[in-house]
Amino acid sequence: EAQVTQNPRYLITVTGKKLTVTCSQNMNHEYMSWYRQDPGLGLRQIYYSMNVEVTDKGDVPEGYKVSRKEKRNFPLILESPSPNQTSLYFCASQRTGGSYEQYFGPGTRLTVT
Amino acid sequence: AQSVTQLDSQVPVFEEAPVELRCNYSSSVSVYLFWYVQYPNQGLQLLLKYLSGSTLVKGINGFEAEFNKSQTSFHLRKPSVHISDTAEYFCAVSDSGNQFYFGTGTSLTVIP
Repeated sequence: EAQVTQNPRYLITVTGKKLTVTCSQNMNHEYMSWYRQDPGLGLRQIYYSMNVEVTDKGDVPEGYKVSRKEKRNFPLILESPSPNQTSLYFCASQRTGGSYEQYFGPGTRLTVT
Repeated sequence: AQSVTQLDSQVPVFEEAPVELRCNYSSSVSVYLFWYVQYPNQGLQLLLKYLSGSTLVKGINGFEAEFNKSQTSFHLRKPSVHISDTAEYFCAVSDSGNQFYFGTGTSLTVIP
């Protein structure tokens, strides 16, 4: 089954404790992206990657890091999480070549206390 | 940067009635436009998209949207809604296919 998977689905952590949210897709898509969803703000793009070793900032990259060492994986790293990063995070992938249809993962709900 | 405005945060509508969810975007340059649906506790799923060509686009589940360049709008419509259409709907725009800008969402509630 074609899908985007995220782990963990739920995470509660404390301020300053480094964490990684993993994202993996099995569709051989070149493009991957991370978003955060907050009430009243909709989805905002954090980072995106056009292909392996190519990453670019989205609208709200501060406090986040990403890496793209393999085509299928695109982890999101919070080196020193803060309470304002409490949010619902979505990973998405997309085939390049003009379709522009993004496939979203199920989401990761992160709480930073 | 683009911006997307979804003026209606909540839209209640009776079952089998028509519905229109409004979306306006900021730029008049060439853009790609999308509507996504999010059911409770799930990720987003593409409903329809406008890339070029006909300004009326049809999507899944009986939804359609019309691209209006002069009004920079991309309103979503369905002639007759069902209970199963209750969900959050997001309009999105991209001018590059790389960066995407989403609206704040419209919560559609279908009343039996």
